[in-house]
Amino acid sequence: AQKVTQAQTEISVVEKEDVTLDCVYETRDTTYYLFWYKQPPSGELVFLIRRNSFDEQNEISGRYSWNFQKSTSSFNFTITASQVVDSAVYFCALSADSGNTPLVFGKGTRLSVIA
Amino acid sequence: DAGVIQSPRHEVTEMGQEVTLRCKPISGHNSLFWYRQTMMRGLELLIYFNNNVPIDDSGMPEDRFSAKMPNASFSTLKIQPSEPRDSAVYFCASNLRDSFEAFFGQGTRLTVV
Repeated sequence: AQKVTQAQTEISVVEKEDVTLDCVYETRDTTYYLFWYKQPPSGELVFLIRRNSFDEQNEISGRYSWNFQKSTSSFNFTITASQVVDSAVYFCALSADSGNTPLVFGKGTRLSVIA
Repeated sequence: DAGVIQSPRHEVTEMGQEVTLRCKPISGHNSLFWYRQTMMRGLELLIYFNNNVPIDDSGMPEDRFSAKMPNASFSTLKIQPSEPRDSAVYFCASNLRDSFEAFFGQGTRLTVV
């Protein structure tokens, strides 16, 4: 069975602080994919990143960076110099195979960035 | 591309009534997923289709829930009869095999009173 755990339910930071959102996953598959989605107050789900289990390279996209560590089954997400617009619920998710298998989501972390 | 289109965006209905949620996936996508989001359970898969065929409906909570995909461009999720505990946001998502990114609709917020 697959499982995603986001232990941080809510985080509050002051603007310009760095913040890391934790994600730990469980799977028996050797091939799997990890995702992060953002859900702003407007409610839609916005895709941020996908990683496959064979690619442990960290990735940076602007102020966002992701740290994938297979040894600890973690896929953490860091926002550098946070901004108020980063306030949202962030979901980590896992899928077994390629794109046509469903996502298993964590419960999400609500990030509030205070000006 | 217009993206995944869900209708209605909001639905308020009385307990016992039938509710039908609709989804139009992105043209050319061959997988379609229905998810439900609640405070208690988070985002959970209800059912998904590959090439219009239901693959896994184990997430459908009860027989009151049914889903169909009569063609590649349309899917429905029906609740009959509806109950207050069905109140949630229902998301539809689609993707193309091996594209890895599921594109989500805006969701339908269902309130059963």
